[in-house]
Amino acid sequence: EVQLVESGGGFVQPGGSLRLSCAASGFTFSRSWMSWVRQAPGKGLEWVANINEDGNEKNYVDSVKGRFTISRDNTKNSLYLQMNSLRVEDTAVFYCARGRIYFDYWGQGALVAVSS
Amino acid sequence: QSALTQPASVSGSPGQSITISCTGTSSDTGGYKYVAWYQQHPGKAPKLIIFGVHNRPSGVSNRFSGSKSGNTASLTISGLQPEDEGDYYCNSYTPTSAGVIFGGGTKLTVL
Repeated sequence: EVQLVESGGGFVQPGGSLRLSCAASGFTFSRSWMSWVRQAPGKGLEWVANINEDGNEKNYVDSVKGRFTISRDNTKNSLYLQMNSLRVEDTAVFYCARGRIYFDYWGQGALVAVSS
Repeated sequence: QSALTQPASVSGSPGQSITISCTGTSSDTGGYKYVAWYQQHPGKAPKLIIFGVHNRPSGVSNRFSGSKSGNTASLTISGLQPEDEGDYYCNSYTPTSAGVIFGGGTKLTVL
């Protein structure tokens, strides 16, 4: 059974940092593109970033470029999202998802709340 | 980059069919066969129901079908059932930042 489990969410002040993790199991992680998708409260889905199988190709939505970094550790079957210089508008549930353009498996989501 | 355009809401009665549209540009939905659709119930993660414009993942009901004409993709749900109620999102590849763009979402109400 495929499982994606996010952790590391929480409350942070504007300008602060958080690191999200996603533990993957039930599939060959090292052969899969992975992505982060977020959803602000009461709003729609927004793709944030993706990373290729070996971590050498990374893509980001313009609004997080220079602030967020996606990475992975294939030895630990884990995906990460380092978020710096957080803004109030980054408040959202962040989902870890398998895929580059289509996302066939999703985690349960981790809430990131940015507020002073 | 603006989100793909979806109607905010649609509704239908049990047994009826409904169609949700997803309109982009020739640079995203119109230019690639990388359109997908997701169903999301309140408080739950999205579920992939259509990929590659018209393909269904294993286990997804054949009541769900996808198509595309020009810059507009469509999701049709036939034989509406109460459990189909929820939010539906389309997405597509976009060469902007070599990334992905979502539609704004459509709330389906089964009357």
